[in-house]
Amino acid sequence: SQQGEEDPQALSIQEGENATMNCSYKTSINNLQWYRQNSGRGLVHLILIRSNEREKHSGRLRVTLDTSKKSSSLLITASRAADTASYFCANGQTGANNLFFGTGTRLTVIP
Amino acid sequence: EPEVTQTPSHQVTQMGQEVILRCVPISNHLYFYWYRQILGQKVEFLVSFYNNEISEKSEIFDDQFSVERPDGSNFTLKIRSTKLEDSAMYFCASSEWQIAYNEQFFGPGTRLTVL
Repeated sequence: SQQGEEDPQALSIQEGENATMNCSYKTSINNLQWYRQNSGRGLVHLILIRSNEREKHSGRLRVTLDTSKKSSSLLITASRAADTASYFCANGQTGANNLFFGTGTRLTVIP
Repeated sequence: EPEVTQTPSHQVTQMGQEVILRCVPISNHLYFYWYRQILGQKVEFLVSFYNNEISEKSEIFDDQFSVERPDGSNFTLKIRSTKLEDSAMYFCASSEWQIAYNEQFFGPGTRLTVL
């Protein structure tokens, strides 16, 4: 499969804790993008990390990319109840002009 | 902040009927896409569109599907004869340039229910 896989499939944490979600992919990529999806709603773009980057920050989000392991992680620090959603990684593969989505991690932040 | 918009938010149709899903991409974007997400499954690529023609399409995008940019702002997905298995959330997306270099922004989706 060209698509990625995320783990864990589901994650439940207390408000204030950090949440880490991992993503793996199988082919050469130009970039990897993370999205959030609230239940039954649209995909909100969070962050893009290019293949020549190793780490990127945006507010409470930190994304890492390890191209040698074909993996990425999304860290949400100081989580809030409003962070409850599904999080997807999507990779932009070399030679393709579309995104390949992972299976998603369902994050629940308990107030 | 500019955003991708989609109409309708929910479409219910009978099997065999034609549906047209509409999207307005972000105005300065050049690449447009359709994806779908069957309930509980992954988001799947359908088609990409650039310079008034299809640039890539997946195996899902068969002869029942077509896309069009009828004017300078709208981008449509037509399903000619809907099947039960076409029931899904359909997302339109756009990017300023090829996604090798740019973020891809998604609309809120149209939930298509085929009865």
